[in-house]
Amino acid sequence: QSALTQPASVSGSPGQSITISCTGTVSDVGSYNLVSWYQQHPGKAPKLILYEDNKRPSGISNHFSASKSGTTASLTISGLQAEDEANYYCCAYAGSSTWVFGGGTKLTVL
Amino acid sequence: QVTLRESGPALVKPTQTLTLTCSFSGFSLSTSGTCVSWIRQPPGKALEWLALIDWDYDKYYTTSLETRLTISKDASNNQVVLTMTNMDPADTATYYCTHLSRDTVAATGYSFDSWGQGTLVTVSS
Repeated sequence: QSALTQPASVSGSPGQSITISCTGTVSDVGSYNLVSWYQQHPGKAPKLILYEDNKRPSGISNHFSASKSGTTASLTISGLQAEDEANYYCCAYAGSSTWVFGGGTKLTVL
Repeated sequence: QVTLRESGPALVKPTQTLTLTCSFSGFSLSTSGTCVSWIRQPPGKALEWLALIDWDYDKYYTTSLETRLTISKDASNNQVVLTMTNMDPADTATYYCTHLSRDTVAATGYSFDSWGQGTLVTVSS
């Protein structure tokens, strides 16, 4: 159960788009369509923003989207807003009712 | 509306056993597909999945900590308890209780869709 690999930080200006990658293995990201993404503001609990690779929960803005290719999943935030500045974590189902998280990516809106 | 709330000691000493309780509402842990999971986050660090209990009393643990963890549920009282033995300063973290639902046949769900506010546990003598 090794952690998924995410870039430590990304940045972008308001209105721009950014992409955060999440690299796993054939045993987790590559085996199931069950990657989820979480947004966490400082001092707050994480919040689910995408699940089952690319589905948005009710109430989540459509400027969040995700995709996957092989063992790498990606989160794209389009039309960056100041309130998008947060930490983002990917998570993958790893089989046998276990899960693995990524190391997290700090998004800075310039 | 699903809500979860963690409770437990804020400070434990090294080698002691930690007991955390998750009290929840808005769902039943007796409903097929429903699960409660614990996830922790050391200060300034990443999230780490720890354990899960499902509607059928099945229990699952992260490999690295499975000898120290026990998860249990009291479905009638809407509570899930996590115990962690032999606490170490490296276990200092915010511990979150989460809700997850899954359809094992359709392979859908499997995401942590509701979270408690978290409880910070510090391990220090």
